Amino acid sequence: DAGVTQSPTHLIKTRGQQVTLRCSPKSGHDTVSWYQQALGQGPQFIFQYYEEEERQRGNFPDRFSGHQFPNYSSELNVNALLLGDSALYLCASSSLAGGGLGTQYFGPGTRLLVL
Amino acid sequence: AQSVTQPDIHITVSEGASLELRCNYSYGATPYLFWYVQSPGQGLQLLLKYFSGDTLVQGIKGFEAEFKRSQSSFNLRKPSVHWSDAAEYFCAVGPLNNAGNMLTFGGGTRLMVKP
Repeated sequence: DAGVTQSPTHLIKTRGQQVTLRCSPKSGHDTVSWYQQALGQGPQFIFQYYEEEERQRGNFPDRFSGHQFPNYSSELNVNALLLGDSALYLCASSSLAGGGLGTQYFGPGTRLLVL
Repeated sequence: AQSVTQPDIHITVSEGASLELRCNYSYGATPYLFWYVQSPGQGLQLLLKYFSGDTLVQGIKGFEAEFKRSQSSFNLRKPSVHWSDAAEYFCAVGPLNNAGNMLTFGGGTRLMVKP
């Protein structure tokens, strides 16, 4: 049973560019959450997708957007990259079907460096 | 707003010694509580979780944690540390409702193990 997978593993961009990160949830999971982890800090919640809609959002600007596909996979898009967007981006999947409060399982992350 | 505090940024213990990592949270009600571990360059692995019931929960790799409502704490313990336990440990809280299950993380505690 494959766990949460993310691609790419590493990415280098320059300021002002746009980036798309991808996540495939664990088999049987229907919900994807994205977190940003800056160096030396704990992860911070960006947003969560369920049934192809943004269900919750953390304190991140509109430059951060996302999408969930019918197969539950998800993308995180960041526009107009800033140096401060350099971080490890973590995807987590869970199952909220049936009103459950599912435990989140994390992928290995995508490390983004903005120059 | 909910918050999580991990007072110890770094902890060093000798192999075979006992371990306790502290976690305090601020929340309007009893939240869901989690401990995750992160090895260098890796994603987060769930160690254990508390939803309700018995306040002493057992996790993987010989870890346990105790929920103390009166102290708003959820400390992680292990009776005998192994060198492979060296990693960063994160405490997290989640809401006790069905509006979504975003996690709020503490800043982490880096554990070093001396031979």
